[in-house]
Amino acid sequence: GIQVEQSPPDLILQEGANSTLRCNFSDSVNNLQWFHQNPWGQLINLFYIPSGTKQNGRLSATTVATERYSLLYISSSQTTDSGVYFCAGGYSGNTPLVFGKGTRLSVIA
Amino acid sequence: GAVVSQHPSRVICKSGTSVKIECRSLDFQATTMFWYRQFPKQSLMLMATSNEGSKATYEQGVEKDKFLINHASLTLSTLTVTSAHPEDSSFYICSAPGLAGGASDEQFFGPGTRLTVL
Repeated sequence: GIQVEQSPPDLILQEGANSTLRCNFSDSVNNLQWFHQNPWGQLINLFYIPSGTKQNGRLSATTVATERYSLLYISSSQTTDSGVYFCAGGYSGNTPLVFGKGTRLSVIA
Repeated sequence: GAVVSQHPSRVICKSGTSVKIECRSLDFQATTMFWYRQFPKQSLMLMATSNEGSKATYEQGVEKDKFLINHASLTLSTLTVTSAHPEDSSFYICSAPGLAGGASDEQFFGPGTRLTVL
């Protein structure tokens, strides 16, 4: 099955700093998603990005499918960005997602 | 995007009781839904795949007689934790693939149900 490695496991940033989170996959996936888990546990869907680059405000993501990795960029971080970021991959929409262990981000003022 | 709801959002029960959690796709049909479990400070782990009109498939180590799954319609899957014990306390999250026939493989997640067994 798919193995997902996320790095770094923990990250502490000063407000305003930029960061890059990485996700490596052991196999090619047709579904790749990035999530932010808020303090109440809800998964906020950030990006559906099996390939290419997408941007949404201060967040952007790039997936290099041929090399089986994805990057999540956070620019000008804010304290509200704190939480756990997960990436997950799956072979298709009808197969379950395999989650990485997450990156725990703390942004301090 | 597609919306998935879960009910209840939080439940506290006594040891030995059964708890039912509902997962609904609100604006689309889902022949398949997935149930995940997340223990504190851990990642999400797949428990089972719920299939409309047929039996669920369970991951290794998940007791199918303890975690009963019923996919009663194209918009509803239920997870019943039978004879719950404190070690079943966890965060349960369901998901469903996106709009049927869509070009995307994106999955949509419910807000989760936090179960606490006393």
